[in-house]
Amino acid sequence: QKEVEQNSGPLSVPEGAIASLNCTYSDRGSQSFFWYRQYSGKSPELIMFIYSNGDKEDGRFTAQLNKASQYVSLLIRDSQPSDSATYLCAAGDTGRRALTFGSGTRLQVQP
Amino acid sequence: DTEVTQTPKHLVMGMTNKKSLKCEQHMGHRAMYWYKQKAKKPPELMFVYSYEKLSINESVPSRFSPECPNSSLLNLHLHALQPEDSALYLCASSQTRGTGGAETQYFGPGTRLLVL
Repeated sequence: QKEVEQNSGPLSVPEGAIASLNCTYSDRGSQSFFWYRQYSGKSPELIMFIYSNGDKEDGRFTAQLNKASQYVSLLIRDSQPSDSATYLCAAGDTGRRALTFGSGTRLQVQP
Repeated sequence: DTEVTQTPKHLVMGMTNKKSLKCEQHMGHRAMYWYKQKAKKPPELMFVYSYEKLSINESVPSRFSPECPNSSLLNLHLHALQPEDSALYLCASSQTRGTGGAETQYFGPGTRLLVL
């Protein structure tokens, strides 16, 4: 059973702080990893994808991938109340066109 | 443009009704997906179409019937649903690579379905 694990939270951070969201995956063959943000009642919105070991930055967001440890993270710098949402980590399913989603981490940014 | 559209936004149906959900994308993506999402749970894959052919059916009950009339359109036909089928139904699309594997999926806004 391929699994993606996330802490359900809530993760509470003050406005302006760095929020760190973490994810582990079981399928060592996974090659692609995605972070989606989902506001309550809305659909998932792509934040970032990462395929290679290391860091990938896009504005206030940095995705980090460590394939040896099977670990993916998302850092949100200068967190804003509008970042309050559930963040879904997903891993590409080896050999087929599908994603395995984690259960999501709820982030609360306190003004 | 990474827009996937879905209609209707909301749907209420009885257990004997037949209804359809529609999804459309004009990004040239050749893979399209249906997901079901219950409250406080992650999206759960139902079907995948690749080049208009059904490539994955995650053992979904036959009361859900997908259809891909062309590369831009994806339908989900609903018949004799149960109250536990009430959920947010999400459509997504992605590009395809010859090697297979997972590409970035872009989600539509979803159809919120209530089965009475």
